[in-house]
Amino acid sequence: DVKVTQSSRYLVKRTGEKVFLECVQDMDHENMFWYRQDPGLGLRLIYFSYDVKMKEKGDIPEGYSVSREKKERFSLILESASTNQTSMYLCASKGLLMGNSPLHFGNGTRLTVT
Amino acid sequence: DQQVKQNSPSLSVQEGRISILNCDYTNSMFDYFLWYKKYPAEGPTFLISISSIKDKNEDGRFTVFLNKSAKHLSLHIVPSQPGDSAVYFCAASAGTYKYIFGTGTRLKVLA
Repeated sequence: DVKVTQSSRYLVKRTGEKVFLECVQDMDHENMFWYRQDPGLGLRLIYFSYDVKMKEKGDIPEGYSVSREKKERFSLILESASTNQTSMYLCASKGLLMGNSPLHFGNGTRLTVT
Repeated sequence: DQQVKQNSPSLSVQEGRISILNCDYTNSMFDYFLWYKKYPAEGPTFLISISSIKDKNEDGRFTVFLNKSAKHLSLHIVPSQPGDSAVYFCAASAGTYKYIFGTGTRLKVLA
């Protein structure tokens, strides 16, 4: 079974802080993703990475950056947290980038920015 | 422009009965469809998928139906159990990395 682990389940940060969300997967997947989930909006893609040190913007990258220094680890960085970044953040991995295979999600990090 | 729509935000079903969750899409290039289940404070769990070359896929109590002409996808759960109570998301892909998710339907199975 694919295991995607997000380091924090709940985080509370202050406006303007730099925030790091960490994600590790154990299936040797090349492809990793960061989504955010908000009520009434579904899941929206922030960034994804198809290899070490490679990244692509998703639909809502503004205010975020990412880091992929090792294959198993994908970090989401909020450069200067704002209240509109309060959300559930979901990391996912996938074996084939272009093929038909499911995304496997971690348990999520509920971030509150005050 | 929402390419994947789940028009019912919630659904209540009696235990033992059938639950039918619906999903509509607009992009005819989508060729892979998935259903995920999500409990509160947990990540989505992959349930079942279907390729556009099929019109039905079954896995135990879960069956997904695809009607390409109507651009409609449905998930049937038979029989429904209280543990099925969760939010269900449908998602679609056009053979790329990008998965478009619906806004979810909250299913409540009443004991």
